[in-house]
Amino acid sequence: GDSVTQMEGPVTLSEEAFLTINCTYTATGYPSLFWYVQYPGEGLQLLLKATKADDKGSNKGFEATYRKETTSFHLEKGSVQVSDSAVYFCALYRQAGTALIFGKGTTLSVSS
Amino acid sequence: DTGVSQDPRHKITKRGQNVTFRCDPISEHNRLYWYRQTLGQGPEFLTYFQNEAQLEKSRLLSDRFSAERPKGSFSTLEIQRTEQGDSAMYLCASSRGIRSGLNNEQFFGPGTRLTVL
Repeated sequence: GDSVTQMEGPVTLSEEAFLTINCTYTATGYPSLFWYVQYPGEGLQLLLKATKADDKGSNKGFEATYRKETTSFHLEKGSVQVSDSAVYFCALYRQAGTALIFGKGTTLSVSS
Repeated sequence: DTGVSQDPRHKITKRGQNVTFRCDPISEHNRLYWYRQTLGQGPEFLTYFQNEAQLEKSRLLSDRFSAERPKGSFSTLEIQRTEQGDSAMYLCASSRGIRSGLNNEQFFGPGTRLTVL
């Protein structure tokens, strides 16, 4: 069945460092891909999305490109801040309106 | 606040008791989803509704679990004869409809944390 695999954390970085969190997926057809973020004590929030191959999603300095040839959707940010400390989840769905399938999450900790 | 709300935020119960959680979606959203998240894992899908119709149930949803959305607005998730393995965060999400694109984004509530002793 469909699945999402994320790099294991925690990821610990200093402020202004470059961030990459790897995400690969297995799915039939052409899924839509998402990154969600969960800040401490808060609910899941959509960070960015991409609905077709070569689309780039971006938000708050984060970017991810839908790479069908490598079935990947890696999250990147050029300069992280302490406020980016959170758990990041990669997710997909095969069809709009159906269930999201999540990876296990990657914890990011940024120190000043 | 017009986001997704869930009640209660925390529930502690003894094994064997029944519990019920409530979710109030964003008012114009006609799809409502339930997920379960255990420690160190991503959310796992349980079930979803289109208005009052329950369209899909995961294999995770055992016979002890039942969900309803009687008038197509709020939803309840009941767990009967709770077990320690039911301890988790139960998340509710809602979305506008079945069309692809931005309008189908799933918005999540803060979750109900269940602890079964």
